[in-house]
Amino acid sequence: GENVEQHPSTLSVQEGDSAVIKCTYSDSASNYFPWYKQELGKRPQLIIDIRSNVGEKKDQRIAVTLNKTAKHFSLHITETQPEDSAVYFCAASLGSQGNLIFGKGTKLSVKP
Amino acid sequence: GAVVSQHPSRVICKSGTSVKIECRSLDFQATTMFWYRQFPKQSLMLMATSNEGSKATYEQGVEKDKFLINHASLTLSTLTVTSAHPEDSSFYICSATKGFPGELFFGEGSRLTVL
Repeated sequence: GENVEQHPSTLSVQEGDSAVIKCTYSDSASNYFPWYKQELGKRPQLIIDIRSNVGEKKDQRIAVTLNKTAKHFSLHITETQPEDSAVYFCAASLGSQGNLIFGKGTKLSVKP
Repeated sequence: GAVVSQHPSRVICKSGTSVKIECRSLDFQATTMFWYRQFPKQSLMLMATSNEGSKATYEQGVEKDKFLINHASLTLSTLTVTSAHPEDSSFYICSATKGFPGELFFGEGSRLTVL
């Protein structure tokens, strides 16, 4: 089955700096790659997603890149703000069922 | 957007009792819902895929008789933790999709504490 690896597990940056979180997946058939932000005790919120027919997608300060050949995708946050502090999860889905396999998460801390 | 509501948000029960958690899609029909379990500071682990009108598909290692899933309508899926034990204490989250592949909408989560 699909396996998603996420790095780093923790990331601390200074406000205004950029943050990059990387994920790799094992199954080349996966075709949907969302990123979720989860604040403590709350539900995960989708922040950006990318499909396998696209190499890059950007939404304001957030961007995601996908390298299908290497089977990895990355989340880029620019001009980080303290409110970006949260746990971020990448995920990959396989087939039409849509069951997402999540990475282990990255705890991002943005220091003012 | 789409709203998924989960109830109860918190539940405390005694060992040996059963607990039912509801997951509702409030403004759309969801033929497929997903149930996850999340331990503190850990990722979401998919437990099962709930399909309306048919049996749920369980992930490897998840006991079907322990975690009963019923998806009786296009807007409601329930997870029943049977004969709960302290090790079942966890954060349970459901999600639903309008159509896949596409955005998943998560419920608020239910924190189960088994004494």
